Amino acid sequence: KAGVTQTPRYLIKTRGQQVTLSCSPISGHRSVSWYQQTPGQGLQFLFEYFSETQRNKGNFPGRFSGRQFSNSRSEMNVSTLELGDSALYLCASSLGGGRLSGANVLTFGAGSRLTVL
Amino acid sequence: GQNIDQPTEMTATEGAIVQINCTYQTSGFNGLFWYQQHAGEAPTFLSYNVLDGLEEKGRFSSFLSRSKGYSYLLLKELQMKDSASYLCAVSDSGAGSYQLTFGKGTKLSVIP
Repeated sequence: KAGVTQTPRYLIKTRGQQVTLSCSPISGHRSVSWYQQTPGQGLQFLFEYFSETQRNKGNFPGRFSGRQFSNSRSEMNVSTLELGDSALYLCASSLGGGRLSGANVLTFGAGSRLTVL
Repeated sequence: GQNIDQPTEMTATEGAIVQINCTYQTSGFNGLFWYQQHAGEAPTFLSYNVLDGLEEKGRFSSFLSRSKGYSYLLLKELQMKDSASYLCAVSDSGAGSYQLTFGKGTKLSVIP
């Protein structure tokens, strides 16, 4: 079956602009999570959605937001971009419902690489 | 909060065995995951430990000691394709069981 699909794969923006990233989870997966990956900080959790509801949110400013649609697809938005927002944004999906485990693992997409100039 | 430590880089020889260590501190341990990430690619799931002991999966094994807050990933019969970053991650009920907290990763280089 198809994996987690993220679009766009690469994008370049300038400071002050906003960006929207899209994620289509594996068919049947109802939980979608977003992570930011940078060389200095590694993977950091942004937020997680299940059945269109945000269940967890990481320690990121309010400029970072997300949503999930009824078909489980998700988008995240970053407004008023800063240079420090340059990163690889990874989306991951899981079956959802219960806690993460060996039977409910995160499957990652290839990511959207954002460069802010 | 959580703190996850793993070595930044390691180098090993093709055909050898390498052990990548991970130490963690959590307020409510729910399980430990190892992921592999090749440069420019998505992280892929390798293993999961929630009870103490060794889990073996082919050339890869993962060990957990909850009392010591310690895990390791053991890679046997190393191949060139094993050159990648290995990410240790913890699920913590205190932070919410639906997210993972990742270490910064160990970049493994396999040399001939």
